[in-house]
Formats: sequence, C-alpha cells, structure tokens
Amino acid sequence: GDSVTQMEGPVTLSEEAFLTINCTYTATGYPSLFWYVQYPGEGLQLLLKATKADDKGSNKGFEATYRKETTSFHLEKGSVQVSDSAVYFCARTNAGNNRKLIWGLGTSLAVNP
Amino acid sequence: GAGVSQSPSNKVTEKGKDVELRCDPISGHTALYWYRQRLGQGLEFLIYFQGNSAPDKSGLPSDRFSAERTGESVSTLTIQRTQQEDSAVYLCASSLVGEQFFGPGTRLTVL
Repeated sequence: GDSVTQMEGPVTLSEEAFLTINCTYTATGYPSLFWYVQYPGEGLQLLLKATKADDKGSNKGFEATYRKETTSFHLEKGSVQVSDSAVYFCARTNAGNNRKLIWGLGTSLAVNP
Repeated sequence: GAGVSQSPSNKVTEKGKDVELRCDPISGHTALYWYRQRLGQGLEFLIYFQGNSAPDKSGLPSDRFSAERTGESVSTLTIQRTQQEDSAVYLCASSLVGEQFFGPGTRLTVL
C-alpha cells in the first residue's frame, strides 16, 4: 500500500545550521505531497506543498521539491532558527479518491542557540 | 476565529467508561477526518467523512470506536469501554479541496 518514510529523529542543530529532513514516498499514482509542522503545544499546520513533479513548495524559508525520479520530497532550510524547533511530518495523498493523507512518523527538530 | 475546534481539550477517564469527543469543522468544509496520535508516533487515520457519502471507516481500530457527522457540520467520535491503549491525542481535520486544517486535538488519558 501507499506509504511515506521519513528520516528518524531527533535532529539537533545549532542556530544558522543547514537543515535537511528526508522524505520518500511510494510511487502509486500521482500524489500531492505535503510538509506539516507541529510546534510545541500547538496543532498541526501546513508548512508547504507540491502537487506535481518538479514543483517546489516554499514557506518561511523552508523548501521542498517534488522529485518523481527519486520519489522524494526532502525538506530543506538554509539557516535554522530556535523558533523552528518542532516536529515535522511528511504526507502524501492516497492513490484512491478519498483524499486521505498518508503520513510519515514525524521528525523532531531541536535548534539550540 | 474560524478554525477547527475540538472539545474537550483534555479528558481523563477510567478504564471501561465511554467517552465522546467533539469536532467543529471550518464552515463550508465538506470533508472531515479523525486521526489518533500516540505519544512519539505519527498520525493514525481513523475515519473520513465526505459530504453525504458513506464514511470511510477503514482506520477504526475496533468496534468500540464509532463516529457520526451531522450533515457537513459537527462530528463526534465515541469510544466505548475505553482501554489504556486508547490514551492518545485525537485530532480532527477538515478540508474543502486539498489542504487539511487541523484542530488543536483532545488529549485522552485512560487510567
């Protein structure tokens, strides 16, 4: 079945470091791809998305490119801040018609000053 | 605000009791989803409502779990005879097209 695989955390970085969180997905159908973020004590919120191959989603300095050839959607940021500390979830739409999202397990990021 | 709201925010119950969790979606959103998030885990899909279609219940873990939705408005998730393994954060999301908007969740603790 459809699945999403994220790199395991926790990831710990110093402020201004470069961030990459890997995400790969099963290649069933033509999914839309998402990164959601969950800040401490808050609900999940959409960070960025891409709906077709080679699209680049971007928001708040984060970027991810929909790579069909490698079935990947890695999240990157050139210079992280303490306020980026959160759990990041990669997700894809289900190959069926019900728009159900298939989720990765989440990657916890801690940024130290 | 006009976001997804859930109540209660926290619920502590004793094993064997029934609980009811409520979700108010964003007005006009035809799709509504329930997820469960256990501590340190990803999101586990439970059930999905889309308009007046029959709900997709494929994620419900047992027949102790059920959910209802009135039209395109409020939904309730009911857990009967709660067990300790039901302890988790229960998240509701709604959507119109594409992006799902999440509520803050209900943290359920079964003692």
